[in-house]
Amino acid sequence: DAGVTQSPTHLIKTRGQQVTLRCSPISGHKSVSWYQQVLGQGPQFIFQYYEKEERGRGNFPDRFSARQFPNYSSELNVNALLLGDSALYLCASSLLGGTGELFFGEGSRLTVL
Amino acid sequence: TQLLEQSPQFLSIQEGENLTVYCNSSSVFSSLQWYRQEPGEGPVLLVTVVTGGEVKKLKRLTFQFGDARKDSSLHITAAQPGDTGLYLCAGGDTNAGKSTFGDGTTLTVKP
Repeated sequence: DAGVTQSPTHLIKTRGQQVTLRCSPISGHKSVSWYQQVLGQGPQFIFQYYEKEERGRGNFPDRFSARQFPNYSSELNVNALLLGDSALYLCASSLLGGTGELFFGEGSRLTVL
Repeated sequence: TQLLEQSPQFLSIQEGENLTVYCNSSSVFSSLQWYRQEPGEGPVLLVTVVTGGEVKKLKRLTFQFGDARKDSSLHITAAQPGDTGLYLCAGGDTNAGKSTFGDGTTLTVKP
């Protein structure tokens, strides 16, 4: 079975631009979460979606938004990019009601210049 | 706010040595996960511990969950260069999807 897939793997943007990151979860997983990982730190929770509804949101500004589609794939959007948004964006899928186990994709490396 | 503190932040050892890394919190978690992450990749789940005092073994890796479910340790026996990576602990949420991560321990095993 395919794992979590993310696209694009790498991208470079300039300040003020917008970016859309995409994620397909493991087959059968209905929950998708997004995390931001800055170099030297652990992943920070951004959003969780389950059955197309937002179930949780981390401490991120409104420039960050996400959605989940009927096939459980998800998009993360970031508007008005700042230099500090440069990070590895990780998507994780999971089984809601489980013990918190997350299965991550390889991430999208965003560089903002 | 639940926080997880991991120590040491960096660890460099020779092949064949043993090591222990720690994950501590002031909060109780319903479960705790350990992940290993290699540069440029996403974290990979190693183990989940749920019960206070639980010990799990995965080949040369031994994971322990504290009795109060606030802390955990990872012990590696006879470390190998392939064990090199960032070891992250995370407190799980019973609703799944939301985990609180520590900043990790970067392990380097030199041949």
